[in-house]
Amino acid sequence: DTGVSQDPRHKITKRGQNVTFRCDPISEHNRLYWYRQTLGQGPEFLTYFQNEAQLEKSRLLSDRFSAERPKGSFSTLEIQRTEQGDSAMYLCASSPPSGGSETQYFGPGTRLLVL
Amino acid sequence: AQSVTQLDSQVPVFEEAPVELRCNYSSSVSVYLFWYVQYPNQGLQLLLKYLSGSTLVKGINGFEAEFNKSQTSFHLRKPSVHISDTAEYFCAVSSNTDKLIFGTGTRLQVFP
Repeated sequence: DTGVSQDPRHKITKRGQNVTFRCDPISEHNRLYWYRQTLGQGPEFLTYFQNEAQLEKSRLLSDRFSAERPKGSFSTLEIQRTEQGDSAMYLCASSPPSGGSETQYFGPGTRLLVL
Repeated sequence: AQSVTQLDSQVPVFEEAPVELRCNYSSSVSVYLFWYVQYPNQGLQLLLKYLSGSTLVKGINGFEAEFNKSQTSFHLRKPSVHISDTAEYFCAVSSNTDKLIFGTGTRLQVFP
């Protein structure tokens, strides 16, 4: 069990560019979550998948954000036309099948800086 | 809607002293409660969770928390802290919808 992995760990981009992050969950975890954490704040929920189905999206996920999990394994989060306000840590988590009581295991995060 | 309030943004404490990090929540439905720890430049690690049953929950690294339904609180405690406990601590709540709602965090700073 290698844990949740995220790539890249750091990304610096210029305003207006597109960026894509990848998350590999723990194997056999069918639920995958994306959160965003800005400086001095707790993580905020963005979206989550059960297998390949995207079941919930936060209002924080504007139309510039898109997330996919095409085969129910890894997931990607793309931000189009980045803005300085998108600078944050993007966290991915996964959990095994069950209800809300299951522990979510977090990856190390991707830190995005938009210049 | 659910929400979590962590009353202290920073808690300074000397090594080997006891500590309590406070957390209050609001929810109209039954909830599950969690404490996570985040070390610098790392993801979040689960310390403990309350699902049901005994209101006193023991976690890793000597931490424990007590669920108090009447006061809607889930305070985290440790009887004797170490330098290595210096980190950011997050209280979180979830329901059957799965997503975690986090507080703003409490930075625990342990001094020698």
